[in-house]
Amino acid sequence: ILNVEQSPQSLHVQEGDSTNFTCSFPSSNFYALHWYRWETAKSPEALFVMTLNGDEKKKGRISATLNTKEGYSYLYIKGSQPEDSATYLCACHMNSGGYQKVTFGIGTKLQVIP
Amino acid sequence: DSGVTQTPKHLITATGQRVTLRCSPRSGDLSVYWYQQSLDQGLQFLIQYYNGEERAKGNILERFSAQQFPDLHSELNLSSLELGDSALYFCASSPTGQNYQPQHFGDGTRLSIL
Repeated sequence: ILNVEQSPQSLHVQEGDSTNFTCSFPSSNFYALHWYRWETAKSPEALFVMTLNGDEKKKGRISATLNTKEGYSYLYIKGSQPEDSATYLCACHMNSGGYQKVTFGIGTKLQVIP
Repeated sequence: DSGVTQTPKHLITATGQRVTLRCSPRSGDLSVYWYQQSLDQGLQFLIQYYNGEERAKGNILERFSAQQFPDLHSELNLSSLELGDSALYFCASSPTGQNYQPQHFGDGTRLSIL
């Protein structure tokens, strides 16, 4: 069983606040970690793909880091805006029994209050 | 618009029936993934195809099957439907299905079993 856990499950922040959430995964047999942004009534949108320990990716006010040795990734949002309100999903690509498996976390639901 | 097209958007049917969900990947993408999202659960990986061949398999039930055709569109067949199969089914595509490539999701097919 490949457990990918995200915390917190939900988060309310004020506009302008910076925030971060965590995705943790088994550190063995790791291939890649994907972050997605999922707005209500839409489909998940790819944010970052991270593969190497120490990877840091940035897109505008959003950035992410990866630690494959300890099995976690952080997603940071600087100066949150109401349009950042969405569920943020991580998905771990791993080797399981010789096959590649993709396991999603349950997501962190972010609400940015104007 | 991700470029991934799923049809139909909604499907209502009864227990015991069989349905087919269709996905057309983004232009140029050779790999297709299928996911299921049931109520109160995260996205579950079902199966991946690359250029017509099955590449990876997740928690796909034996009552479900899929294939990818020469024109690269894919179909997910669900048979002997049960109430628990009610879910949102997503298709995603990527260029060659490598785990470092971001996936682009369609809008999903919402399946309701009565």
